[in-house]
Amino acid sequence: KNQVEQSPQSLIILEGKNCTLQCNYTVSPFSNLRWYKQDTGRGPVSLTIMTFSENTKSNGRYTATLDADTKQSSLHITASQLSDSASYICVVSALAGGGSNYKLTFGKGTLLTVNP
Amino acid sequence: EAGVAQSPRYKIIEKRQSVAFWCNPISGHATLYWYQQILGQGPKLLIQFQNNGVVDDSQLPKDRFSAERLKGVDSTLKIQPAKLEDSAVYLCASSLKDLNTEAFFGQGTRLTVV
Repeated sequence: KNQVEQSPQSLIILEGKNCTLQCNYTVSPFSNLRWYKQDTGRGPVSLTIMTFSENTKSNGRYTATLDADTKQSSLHITASQLSDSASYICVVSALAGGGSNYKLTFGKGTLLTVNP
Repeated sequence: EAGVAQSPRYKIIEKRQSVAFWCNPISGHATLYWYQQILGQGPKLLIQFQNNGVVDDSQLPKDRFSAERLKGVDSTLKIQPAKLEDSAVYLCASSLKDLNTEAFFGQGTRLTVV
């Protein structure tokens, strides 16, 4: 069964500190992995999209890593800001049912709170 | 570039009533999706349209949920009759081609069924 597991479930850090969020997946056949940021009351916004051959991808203070062999990904946030407080969702895209249609499998997200 | 527009933002209804949500995707995006996100969980796909045809509605509770995409652009999602467990955020997303390309989400409609 395709699954995406994220840890920790929630995290509280002080402004200016770094943090790392984890994502393990069992989705196959793998196509790409995405990290989304979802602010409270808003829809998810894409941070990064990584394909099988990409190990690291950065978007400002966000750096995602991907190990396709161990099926693990991480999202590292550097010098956190209050505006980073949000839910971070790991999503994996895979071909569905042997056809040409893709499906997204969502993790439950990590709720990050950045305190002053 | 304008994003995915959804309305209303919030809706409170009593159980057994009906409700409809509207979505206007990004111009030129062929694929449109409706997701249900229950508090504390990731979004769950309800239905996927490619232009005005349904690609996947396997997780849509068809006894009470229906959706259509008018002329391959705007879409409406209807629930009739609503149940308490339908309380959730309903997200609309669109992508240029399919789910292997980047999906852009609207702000969602928060539905509360009392």
